[in-house]
Amino acid sequence: DVKVTQSSRYLVKRTGEKVFLECVQDMDHENMFWYRQDPGLGLRLIYFSYDVKMKEKGDIPEGYSVSREKKERFSLILESASTNQTSMYLCASGRTNYGYTFGSGTRLTVV
Amino acid sequence: RKEVEQDPGPFNVPEGATVAFNCTYSNSASQSFFWYRQDCRKEPKLLMSVYSSGNEDGRFTAQLNRASQYISLLIRDSKLSDSATYLCVVNVLANTGGFKTIFGAGTRLFVKA
Repeated sequence: DVKVTQSSRYLVKRTGEKVFLECVQDMDHENMFWYRQDPGLGLRLIYFSYDVKMKEKGDIPEGYSVSREKKERFSLILESASTNQTSMYLCASGRTNYGYTFGSGTRLTVV
Repeated sequence: RKEVEQDPGPFNVPEGATVAFNCTYSNSASQSFFWYRQDCRKEPKLLMSVYSSGNEDGRFTAQLNRASQYISLLIRDSKLSDSATYLCVVNVLANTGGFKTIFGAGTRLFVKA
């Protein structure tokens, strides 16, 4: 089975801190994604990557950046965390046309 | 207009009922289509892919109508364990290559005894 591992299940950070969310997949997938999920808003795409060092903005990239230096790892960075970035963050990976596997999510609270 | 729209729900049905979910997408260049299931406080999980010819997996049948840009999911003989949120998902070709995966907001299903 494909495994997508997110580094933390729960995280509490202070406003203004730089936050790193890590995601690692073990199936050599080319595509990786970061979403956030909020009640009533569903899953919203932040950034995605279809190859090493490639990245594309999703629908809500403001306040975030990403890094993909190795194929198996896709990092989401909050440059200066704000309270409106409190959310559930979900990473996914997969091959195009075959569906994706999600990590179990990181619930981030910014205080 | 949202790129992927679903019935808002929630759907409340008795065990054994047949329930249908609908989804429309706006980008005619959409390439591939899926249904995911998400249980409360869990990550989404792939339920099935959707093909133009229609496909079936046990009690679940998915249909795609490219001309109408419409996707459906039919669940027959509903079980209590089918209670979840069902997400319609579309892959759209991105500007610089690769595919962007867009999720619908989901339809909540409650199956009652």
